[in-house]
Amino acid sequence: GENVEQHPSTLSVQEGDSAVIKCTYSDSASNYFPWYKQELGKRPQLIIDIRSNVGEKKDQRIAVTLNKTAKHFSLHITETQPEDSAVYFCAASIRDDKIIFGKGTRLHILP
Amino acid sequence: DTGVSQNPRHKITKRGQNVTFRCDPISEHNRLYWYRQTLGQGPEFLTYFQNEAQLEKSRLLSDRFSAERPKGSFSTLEIQRTEQGDSAMYLCASSLVTRQETQYFGPGTRLLVL
Repeated sequence: GENVEQHPSTLSVQEGDSAVIKCTYSDSASNYFPWYKQELGKRPQLIIDIRSNVGEKKDQRIAVTLNKTAKHFSLHITETQPEDSAVYFCAASIRDDKIIFGKGTRLHILP
Repeated sequence: DTGVSQNPRHKITKRGQNVTFRCDPISEHNRLYWYRQTLGQGPEFLTYFQNEAQLEKSRLLSDRFSAERPKGSFSTLEIQRTEQGDSAMYLCASSLVTRQETQYFGPGTRLLVL
């Protein structure tokens, strides 16, 4: 079955700097790659997603890139702000079916 | 509130007791998913429904777990003879099965088995 690896597990960046989280997946049939943000005690919230027919997608300060050949995808957050502090999960899905999540990255934005 | 809702939000039970959780999806969504999340981990898939049909169950879902969606709307997840290892956050998500739709999560039910 699908397996999603996520790195790093913890990331600290200075406010205003960029943060990058990287993920790899195992099943080449995966075609949908969402990213969720989860604040302490709250539900996962979708922040951006990318389909296998595009290589990059941007939404304001957030961008995702997808390399299907290498089976990896990344989340980029620019101009980080204190409210970006949270746990971020990458995930992969086959045929828009169940989502397989990575183990998460705890992002700390330092003042 | 038109989002996914779950009840109860918290449940404390003694080992060996049965518990049941409820999920109400977004009204027009015909797919409903159950996930389990333990501390410091990502959500793990348990099972999902399309309308009232249960289409897949994870190996994580032992015989003590059963899920239903009798009318294709709300769903229940029952855990029989609870064990301490069942302590986790149980998340429900729903989606609309048109091409390439997104899963929206509920707030979860946090279960503590003593």
